[in-house]
Amino acid sequence: DIQMTQSPSSLSASVGDRVTITCRASQAISNYLAWFQQKPGKAPRSLIYAASSLQSGVPSKFSGSGSGTDFTLTISSLQPEDFATYYCQQYYSYPLTFGGGTKVEIK
Amino acid sequence: QVQLVQSGAEVKKPGASVKVSCKASGYTFTGYVMHWVRQAPGQRLEWMGWINAGNGNTKYSQKFQGRVTITRDTSASTAYMELSSLRSEDTAVYYCARAGDSIVYLLLWGQGTVVTVSS
Repeated sequence: DIQMTQSPSSLSASVGDRVTITCRASQAISNYLAWFQQKPGKAPRSLIYAASSLQSGVPSKFSGSGSGTDFTLTISSLQPEDFATYYCQQYYSYPLTFGGGTKVEIK
Repeated sequence: QVQLVQSGAEVKKPGASVKVSCKASGYTFTGYVMHWVRQAPGQRLEWMGWINAGNGNTKYSQKFQGRVTITRDTSASTAYMELSSLRSEDTAVYYCARAGDSIVYLLLWGQGTVVTVSS
């Protein structure tokens, strides 16, 4: 199975900050990577697919990059509604696997 | 609008089975793959398997092979996930998630169903 490792596991940031979350795959996955946002008690929401393609309806402050084993999710200017947990997920091979999550909290 | 509505919370005893439903609306149910993913308390999301709602083909995670069965009823636009031989470690929120144009991209998620396994 491909292991997905996210860092940091949590971070504190202020409104307006630029935030970067890293996801590393245990083997190369090309660009078969997605990012999700999850708020407490809610279902995950799709943000990005194919490592850098923004899902329809997702604001452009979210961006993704990377290929192979190393990927990043960037939020350009953090807003109150962005405080949540973010997960990466590889869909290069079965079983589909997720990162452990990065909790973005208010400083 | 496009949405997935799941059945309500369940409490089961160890050794029992649970069947969770996921009703789709707002799109052609048979045109997409439906996945099932679970999230145990404090744990990462865990993929269980998918069903092609059009032809009924399935693919399961080896971890759950033999214990999970995913089915669908096209007349009701509903997918089902049944997990048998439940144990306490199966206590989790279970989600259905519709794929996008790529069958392995989880685009749209249901609201989740809490399954509690307790004696």
